[in-house]
Amino acid sequence: KAGVTQTPRYLIKTRGQQVTLSCSPISGHRSVSWYQQTPGQGLQFLFEYFSETQRNKGNFPGRFSGRQFSNSRSEMNVSTLELGDSALYLCASSFGATNTGELFFGEGSRLTVL
Amino acid sequence: DQQVKQNSPSLSVQEGRISILNCDYTNSMFDYFLWYKKYPAEGPTFLISISSIKDKNEDGRFTVFLNKSAKHLSLHIVPSQPGDSAVYFCAAGPYNQGGKLIFGQGTELSVKP
Repeated sequence: KAGVTQTPRYLIKTRGQQVTLSCSPISGHRSVSWYQQTPGQGLQFLFEYFSETQRNKGNFPGRFSGRQFSNSRSEMNVSTLELGDSALYLCASSFGATNTGELFFGEGSRLTVL
Repeated sequence: DQQVKQNSPSLSVQEGRISILNCDYTNSMFDYFLWYKKYPAEGPTFLISISSIKDKNEDGRFTVFLNKSAKHLSLHIVPSQPGDSAVYFCAAGPYNQGGKLIFGQGTELSVKP
Protein backbone atom coordinates (compact mmCIF):
# COMPACT_ATOMS: atom_id res chain seq x y z
CA LYS A 1 0.00 0.00 0.00
CA ALA A 2 1.56 3.26 -1.14
CA GLY A 3 2.12 5.92 1.48
CA VAL A 4 1.44 9.63 1.37
CA THR A 5 3.27 11.22 -1.55
CA GLN A 6 4.32 14.85 -1.60
CA THR A 7 5.76 16.76 -4.53
CA PRO A 8 8.07 18.47 -5.02
CA ARG A 9 10.42 17.33 -2.27
CA TYR A 10 12.62 20.42 -2.46
CA LEU A 11 12.14 23.83 -3.98
CA ILE A 12 13.69 27.26 -3.86
CA LYS A 13 11.71 30.44 -4.43
CA THR A 14 12.34 34.15 -4.02
CA ARG A 15 10.37 36.62 -1.95
CA GLY A 16 7.14 37.71 -3.56
CA GLN A 17 6.71 34.56 -5.64
CA GLN A 18 4.04 31.97 -5.05
CA VAL A 19 4.30 28.21 -4.66
CA THR A 20 2.00 25.23 -5.00
CA LEU A 21 2.65 21.97 -3.17
CA SER A 22 0.90 18.71 -3.93
CA CYS A 23 -0.13 15.78 -1.75
CA SER A 24 -1.53 12.38 -2.71
CA PRO A 25 -3.03 10.61 0.31
CA ILE A 26 -3.09 6.92 1.03
CA SER A 27 -5.72 5.17 -1.07
CA GLY A 28 -9.08 5.26 0.72
CA HIS A 29 -8.14 8.16 2.98
CA ARG A 30 -10.49 11.11 2.61
CA SER A 31 -8.91 13.57 5.01
CA VAL A 32 -5.77 15.54 4.19
CA SER A 33 -4.12 17.87 6.68
CA TRP A 34 -1.22 20.24 6.15
CA TYR A 35 1.40 21.22 8.71
CA GLN A 36 4.34 23.60 8.71
CA GLN A 37 7.53 22.71 10.56
CA THR A 38 10.21 25.35 11.15
CA PRO A 39 13.49 25.01 13.10
CA GLY A 40 12.88 25.01 16.84
CA GLN A 41 9.13 24.77 16.40
CA GLY A 42 6.85 21.83 16.53
CA LEU A 43 4.50 21.10 13.72
CA GLN A 44 1.93 23.85 13.27
CA PHE A 45 -1.45 23.01 11.80
CA LEU A 46 -2.36 24.86 8.61
CA PHE A 47 -5.68 23.35 7.49
CA GLU A 48 -7.54 20.13 6.87
CA TYR A 49 -9.68 19.06 3.97
CA PHE A 50 -12.28 16.31 4.04
CA SER A 51 -14.42 15.38 1.05
CA GLU A 52 -13.26 18.51 -0.83
CA THR A 53 -14.31 20.84 2.01
CA GLN A 54 -12.08 22.67 4.44
CA ARG A 55 -12.98 21.16 7.80
CA ASN A 56 -10.46 22.89 10.06
CA LYS A 57 -8.16 25.87 9.77
CA GLY A 58 -5.13 26.96 11.77
CA ASN A 59 -3.88 30.45 12.56
CA PHE A 60 -2.07 31.30 9.37
CA PRO A 61 -2.58 34.36 7.17
CA GLY A 62 -4.74 34.25 4.08
CA ARG A 63 -1.64 33.89 1.89
CA PHE A 64 -1.84 30.22 2.79
CA SER A 65 -4.63 28.39 1.03
CA GLY A 66 -5.49 24.90 -0.05
CA ARG A 67 -7.95 22.73 -1.84
CA GLN A 68 -8.88 19.11 -2.25
CA PHE A 69 -9.98 17.33 -5.37
CA SER A 70 -12.60 14.62 -5.83
CA ASN A 71 -9.88 11.93 -5.75
CA SER A 72 -8.78 13.26 -2.31
CA ARG A 73 -5.52 14.66 -3.66
CA SER A 74 -4.76 18.03 -2.16
CA GLU A 75 -2.75 21.11 -2.98
CA MET A 76 -1.65 24.00 -0.86
CA ASN A 77 -0.63 27.38 -2.16
CA VAL A 78 1.41 30.13 -0.57
CA SER A 79 1.29 33.50 -2.29
CA THR A 80 3.59 36.50 -1.89
CA LEU A 81 6.28 34.42 -0.24
CA GLU A 82 8.20 35.80 2.71
CA LEU A 83 11.54 34.68 4.11
CA GLY A 84 9.74 33.30 7.17
CA ASP A 85 7.81 30.88 4.99
CA SER A 86 10.95 28.79 4.61
CA ALA A 87 9.95 25.50 6.23
CA LEU A 88 9.19 21.86 5.82
CA TYR A 89 5.57 21.47 4.75
CA LEU A 90 4.08 18.16 5.75
CA CYS A 91 0.93 16.58 4.48
CA ALA A 92 -0.91 13.90 6.44
CA SER A 93 -3.87 11.73 5.57
CA SER A 94 -6.40 9.70 7.50
CA PHE A 95 -9.73 7.99 6.91
CA GLY A 96 -11.36 11.06 8.37
CA ALA A 97 -14.85 9.84 9.22
CA THR A 98 -13.99 9.75 12.88
CA ASN A 99 -10.58 10.69 14.03
CA THR A 100 -8.52 10.23 17.14
CA GLY A 101 -5.38 11.76 15.80
CA GLU A 102 -3.58 8.92 14.05
CA LEU A 103 -2.25 10.58 10.94
CA PHE A 104 -0.07 9.20 8.19
CA PHE A 105 2.53 11.75 7.12
CA GLY A 106 4.39 12.18 3.88
CA GLU A 107 8.09 13.01 3.76
CA GLY A 108 7.40 16.69 3.28
CA SER A 109 8.23 19.44 0.82
CA ARG A 110 11.14 21.59 1.92
CA LEU A 111 10.65 25.17 0.79
CA THR A 112 13.48 27.69 0.86
CA VAL A 113 12.62 31.34 0.27
CA LEU A 114 15.53 33.60 -0.70
CA ASP B 1 0.23 30.42 23.29
CA GLN B 2 1.85 26.98 23.39
CA GLN B 3 -0.82 24.55 24.46
CA VAL B 4 1.54 21.57 24.27
CA LYS B 5 5.09 21.87 25.57
CA GLN B 6 8.09 19.60 25.53
CA ASN B 7 10.59 21.35 27.76
CA SER B 8 13.56 19.09 27.02
CA PRO B 9 14.91 19.61 23.52
CA SER B 10 17.23 16.62 23.85
CA LEU B 11 17.78 13.47 25.89
CA SER B 12 20.67 11.01 25.88
CA VAL B 13 20.26 7.48 27.24
CA GLN B 14 22.39 4.35 27.35
CA GLU B 15 21.22 1.34 25.37
CA GLY B 16 19.13 -1.01 27.52
CA ARG B 17 18.10 1.69 29.98
CA ILE B 18 14.76 3.46 30.23
CA SER B 19 14.02 6.59 28.20
CA ILE B 20 11.42 8.95 29.64
CA LEU B 21 10.10 11.76 27.46
CA ASN B 22 7.82 14.36 28.99
CA CYS B 23 5.10 16.63 27.72
CA ASP B 24 2.86 19.21 29.40
CA TYR B 25 -0.38 20.65 28.11
CA THR B 26 -2.67 23.49 29.14
CA ASN B 27 -5.99 22.80 27.40
CA SER B 28 -8.30 20.64 29.51
CA MET B 29 -10.50 20.09 26.43
CA PHE B 30 -8.01 17.72 24.83
CA ASP B 31 -9.54 14.27 24.48
CA TYR B 32 -6.64 12.27 23.16
CA PHE B 33 -2.88 12.42 23.20
CA LEU B 34 -0.34 10.90 20.87
CA TRP B 35 3.35 10.40 20.38
CA TYR B 36 4.97 10.56 16.97
CA LYS B 37 8.53 9.64 16.06
CA LYS B 38 10.48 11.38 13.32
CA TYR B 39 13.71 10.33 11.64
CA PRO B 40 15.70 12.83 9.55
CA ALA B 41 14.39 13.28 6.01
CA GLU B 42 11.21 11.34 6.83
CA GLY B 43 7.74 12.37 7.90
CA PRO B 44 6.57 11.72 11.46
CA THR B 45 5.18 8.27 12.17
CA PHE B 46 2.53 7.48 14.73
CA LEU B 47 3.86 5.63 17.76
CA ILE B 48 1.23 5.34 20.48
CA SER B 49 -1.82 7.19 21.77
CA ILE B 50 -3.99 7.46 24.84
CA SER B 51 -7.47 8.82 25.38
CA SER B 52 -8.32 11.12 28.25
CA ILE B 53 -10.38 8.41 29.96
CA LYS B 54 -7.28 6.30 30.54
CA ASP B 55 -4.11 6.86 32.51
CA LYS B 56 -1.87 4.30 30.84
CA ASN B 57 -1.49 2.60 27.48
CA GLU B 58 1.14 0.05 26.64
CA ASP B 59 2.44 -1.26 23.33
CA GLY B 60 5.48 -3.48 23.52
CA ARG B 61 8.45 -1.45 24.73
CA PHE B 62 6.44 1.78 24.68
CA THR B 63 4.14 2.98 27.46
CA VAL B 64 2.36 6.30 27.64
CA PHE B 65 1.18 7.69 30.96
CA LEU B 66 -1.38 10.45 31.37
CA ASN B 67 -1.79 12.52 34.53
CA LYS B 68 -4.82 14.70 33.88
CA SER B 69 -4.70 16.57 37.17
CA ALA B 70 -1.15 17.66 36.40
CA LYS B 71 -1.85 18.00 32.66
CA HIS B 72 1.23 15.90 32.04
CA LEU B 73 2.01 13.16 29.56
CA SER B 74 5.05 10.92 29.43
CA LEU B 75 6.42 8.25 27.12
CA HIS B 76 8.54 5.44 28.56
CA ILE B 77 10.71 3.30 26.31
CA VAL B 78 12.07 0.16 27.95
CA PRO B 79 14.60 -1.09 27.04
CA SER B 80 15.95 1.68 24.83
CA GLN B 81 17.63 0.66 21.59
CA PRO B 82 19.93 2.63 19.25
CA GLY B 83 17.22 2.47 16.57
CA ASP B 84 14.99 4.51 18.88
CA SER B 85 17.22 7.54 18.29
CA ALA B 86 14.90 10.09 16.68
CA VAL B 87 12.89 13.22 17.42
CA TYR B 88 9.75 12.49 19.43
CA PHE B 89 6.74 14.80 19.25
CA CYS B 90 3.82 14.71 21.59
CA ALA B 91 0.50 15.90 20.21
CA ALA B 92 -3.00 16.47 21.49
CA GLY B 93 -6.45 17.17 20.17
CA PRO B 94 -10.14 17.37 21.04
CA TYR B 95 -12.13 14.33 19.91
CA ASN B 96 -13.41 14.39 16.36
CA GLN B 97 -11.42 17.43 15.31
CA GLY B 98 -10.12 15.46 12.40
CA GLY B 99 -6.54 16.06 11.45
CA LYS B 100 -6.09 19.11 13.64
CA LEU B 101 -3.50 18.28 16.28
CA ILE B 102 -1.47 20.55 18.52
CA PHE B 103 2.15 19.43 18.58
CA GLY B 104 4.96 20.07 21.03
CA GLN B 105 8.34 21.26 19.83
CA GLY B 106 9.90 17.80 19.95
CA THR B 107 12.59 16.05 22.00
CA GLU B 108 15.60 14.55 20.26
CA LEU B 109 16.41 11.19 21.82
CA SER B 110 19.86 9.72 21.40
CA VAL B 111 20.39 6.13 22.52
CA LYS B 112 24.06 5.29 22.82
CA PRO B 113 25.38 1.73 22.45
